[in-house]
Amino acid sequence: AQTVTQSQPEMSVQEAETVTLSCTYDTSESDYYLFWYKQPPSRQMILVIRQEAYKQQNATENRFSVNFQKAAKSFSLKISDSQLGDAAMYFCAYHNAGNMLTFGGGTRLMVKP
Amino acid sequence: EPEVTQTPSHQVTQMGQEVILRCVPISNHLYFYWYRQILGQKVEFLVSFYNNEISEKSEIFDDQFSVERPDGSNFTLKIRSTKLEDSAMYFCASSAGQGANFYGYTFGSGTRLTVV
Repeated sequence: AQTVTQSQPEMSVQEAETVTLSCTYDTSESDYYLFWYKQPPSRQMILVIRQEAYKQQNATENRFSVNFQKAAKSFSLKISDSQLGDAAMYFCAYHNAGNMLTFGGGTRLMVKP
Repeated sequence: EPEVTQTPSHQVTQMGQEVILRCVPISNHLYFYWYRQILGQKVEFLVSFYNNEISEKSEIFDDQFSVERPDGSNFTLKIRSTKLEDSAMYFCASSAGQGANFYGYTFGSGTRLTVV
C-alpha cells in the first residue's frame, strides 16, 4: 500500500517570503500522479498543483512550484511571495492507476504579516 | 468554473439514526468518490463509483455505508445507523477520467456530520 508522509506538522513564513513544504511517499508503481491540495478554514479541498510521474519537468502554477525527485520519492511544494491568503492546511496526495487518492497528514502553514 | 455541490453543509443527527449526504458531481465527470476527514486527522478514502457500481472501497466502508446514483445528477452516501465515531467532514469528489485521462479530482465543500 502507498503511504504519504508530511514531516512538518506546522510551518510559518513571513509575508512576501518563500516557504517549502516537504512530502515523501512510498510506492512500487512507476506511473502515478502527485498533488498538493490546500484546505483553508472553510475546509474545502482546493487543488494547488499536479505532477505526472512520467514528466521530469517540475510543475509550476504562478507562485506555486514543486521539486519532484522521483528516485528519492520526494515531492516538495514551494510557495513564493507568500500572501496572507496562503495560510491553510496543505495536503500532499498520491494517485496511481487505482481509484483513490492517498493523503499525507497535512502541514499547517501560517503567514505572518 | 464547474463545481461539485454538497448538501447539507452541516448535519447533526442522533446516534443510531440514518443519514443521507448528497452530492451533485460535475456534469461530464464519470468517476465519483467519497472521502472523510475526522477532525484533526488525515483525509481518508471511503469509496469510488463508476458506471453505476462501486469500483473500489476501503475498510472503513463497511455494511453501514452505501452509495447510490439515483438519477443522472445526484450521488449519495447513506450511513444506516450512525455512530459517534462517524462524526467527520465528508467530501464528495468527481473526476473526468482515469489512467492517461486523469487530471485530478474536484472536491465539494464538504458536509460536516455531527453524531450526538
